[in-house]
Amino acid sequence: NAGVTQTPKFQVLKTGQSMTLQCAQDMNHNSMYWYRQDPGMGLRLIYYSASEGTTDKGEVPNGYNVSRLNKREFSLRLESAAPSQTSVYFCAISPPRLTDTQYFGPGTRLTVL
Amino acid sequence: SQKIEQNSEALNIQEGKTATLTCNYTNYSPAYLQWYRQDPGRGPVFLLLIRENEKEKRKERLKVTFDTTLKQSLFHITASQPADSATYLCALDLENQGGKLIFGQGTELSVKP
Repeated sequence: NAGVTQTPKFQVLKTGQSMTLQCAQDMNHNSMYWYRQDPGMGLRLIYYSASEGTTDKGEVPNGYNVSRLNKREFSLRLESAAPSQTSVYFCAISPPRLTDTQYFGPGTRLTVL
Repeated sequence: SQKIEQNSEALNIQEGKTATLTCNYTNYSPAYLQWYRQDPGRGPVFLLLIRENEKEKRKERLKVTFDTTLKQSLFHITASQPADSATYLCALDLENQGGKLIFGQGTELSVKP
């Protein structure tokens, strides 16, 4: 997971609370992604950002917002957390070429009570 | 809609044997396919990429095949070791969508000594 850091590692929220998951990279890649991973569901894309200042929805964007303020950081915000958002969240980055690998962060385990 | 399926049941094999994992997809034609390894509590780590015009790719004890007619990829680990125990994910590109990937749910491999 070198090059991609995520904070926090663990978080417990109550329904209706808000929080922001942070992701930062030191590999100077343009593209950044937020995924959620649930048992039996695999990784599902929430939002991605092809470059600084641009964002686009993925497969499961409802209930989330994102912000790409600079090339290095991409944050994911839950405005009003719901139990259905209990999951493990991964940030990933990839270089410009479409065939290149994605590098994942260590993940944030979120529980919403 | 696009769909990817991997063996949902865990694969248990004896050390030294060859492990074979399957990834099937429907409803689209990816330009390339990737395989990732994920250890418990960690983010996925890229292993191999194979393009649509390649039949086979090798890296050390790993071999990947890609049959675009059958819409299937096979991932082989030869001379398996207990350290190979992990969950293995396949991922395919979403056509014309800027590097976004769709992931399978993963297959858990357990190699017994």
